[in-house]
Amino acid sequence: QQPVQSPQAVILREGEDAVINCSSSKALYSVHWYRQKHGEAPVFLMILLKGGEQKGHEKISASFNEKKQQSSLYLTASQLSYSGTYFCGTGMDTGRRALTFGSGTRLQVQP
Amino acid sequence: NAGVTQTPKFRVLKTGQSMTLLCAQDMNHEYMYWYRQDPGMGLRLIHYSVGEGTTAKGEVPDGYNVSRLKKQNFLLGLESAAPSQTSVYFCASRGITGDYGYTFGSGTRLTVV
Repeated sequence: QQPVQSPQAVILREGEDAVINCSSSKALYSVHWYRQKHGEAPVFLMILLKGGEQKGHEKISASFNEKKQQSSLYLTASQLSYSGTYFCGTGMDTGRRALTFGSGTRLQVQP
Repeated sequence: NAGVTQTPKFRVLKTGQSMTLLCAQDMNHEYMYWYRQDPGMGLRLIHYSVGEGTTAKGEVPDGYNVSRLKKQNFLLGLESAAPSQTSVYFCASRGITGDYGYTFGSGTRLTVV
């Protein structure tokens, strides 16, 4: 079953923060986050594993609430380069089965 | 550069025609996947493979077939194309270790008229 992402779209000014949420009705082992720019392939941002720690690099970080089967992606002090569509992908085992992706959150950062 | 290569990048087919999309990866990844992307629907899994000689159905497998005769290649076939198969197709691969994500190819934009 497809995870649910919210919001569907968000518009920010440079320097503002954003949170994108991903929730599943099934028990999860992993949550992936990807960013896709228009006309390009999705690019891997980070993975969160059950029992693992919150991840992050530079101004993008994510958390995974195993009890609620929810993950959140945090973008702080947004830059123009953050614009794109963000997808979460959820996995229910160690990786043999494929990810199920949400429908995406379109993020636009304006000057 | 190491990565996932998809061919062709664009294709227009007439209804009923057949074609094969090729995905090749040079990272020695075990797992390979075919997704289709339609506006507002995210990425939907067509078929996937967990190793050479193995394939499995995904969420939307009807009308497609796949083969993985060599570890580095994953082929997606459309036997009789339909307008509903107009989409952007992405191939992806992943290694066995748990901390890495998918590496996607650049996609194939297919139009069936």
